[in-house]
Amino acid sequence: ETGVTQSPTHLIKTRGQQVTLRCSSQSGHNTVSWYQQALGQGPQFIFQYYREEENGRGNFPPRFSGLQFPNYSSELNVNALELDDSALYLCASSRDGGAGELFFGEGSRLTVL
Amino acid sequence: RKEVEQDPGPFNVPEGATVAFNCTYSNSASQSFFWYRQDCRKEPKLLMSVYSSGNEDGRFTAQLNRASQYISLLIRDSKLSDSATYLCVVNEDTSGTYKYIFGTGTRLKVLA
Repeated sequence: ETGVTQSPTHLIKTRGQQVTLRCSSQSGHNTVSWYQQALGQGPQFIFQYYREEENGRGNFPPRFSGLQFPNYSSELNVNALELDDSALYLCASSRDGGAGELFFGEGSRLTVL
Repeated sequence: RKEVEQDPGPFNVPEGATVAFNCTYSNSASQSFFWYRQDCRKEPKLLMSVYSSGNEDGRFTAQLNRASQYISLLIRDSKLSDSATYLCVVNEDTSGTYKYIFGTGTRLKVLA
């Protein structure tokens, strides 16, 4: 058990809808990063939050946005869902702005119909 | 060119075999390197960090070659339980912002 929890574990949405995914980081970790993993691919970096501010972003459009709260938990929001957004969304917590080991949650599996 | 490249496999090997995976990365400024293991439909978990001097953890040996920008993982005496996807991971440091770049993963299946 990593101590990183994600919710919901599975969800189904339709094109054009919006979704919010949640992540609670491991105790003592101040950094949360989000990844999208399509079937048969490695995780793709979406963005990272450190002390409530975004401090790194991958090649994802602005409809992917996020937040980090004072307790270091985090949300990933995706607007205007597209079919290609169907994937496993992984949250990882770490210390010190992401310099150390990543501890992953079990992921949220999103299906867009 | 992808930032981190791996042969997706699958590598099908008999129990007891030795198997090696390689991974190349494109950013010469990359700072740290890791191998993560991911079981089917599960989250990735750290297998080992990779140091310039090379490091070993039981049956697993990792090597880093900065000049050629590749990382390797050697698994000796393969067990059925080693069947998984092995992800090569590079941590890039851009002015104090760290970003983890994952390869697509190499699938290993150890056969009885």
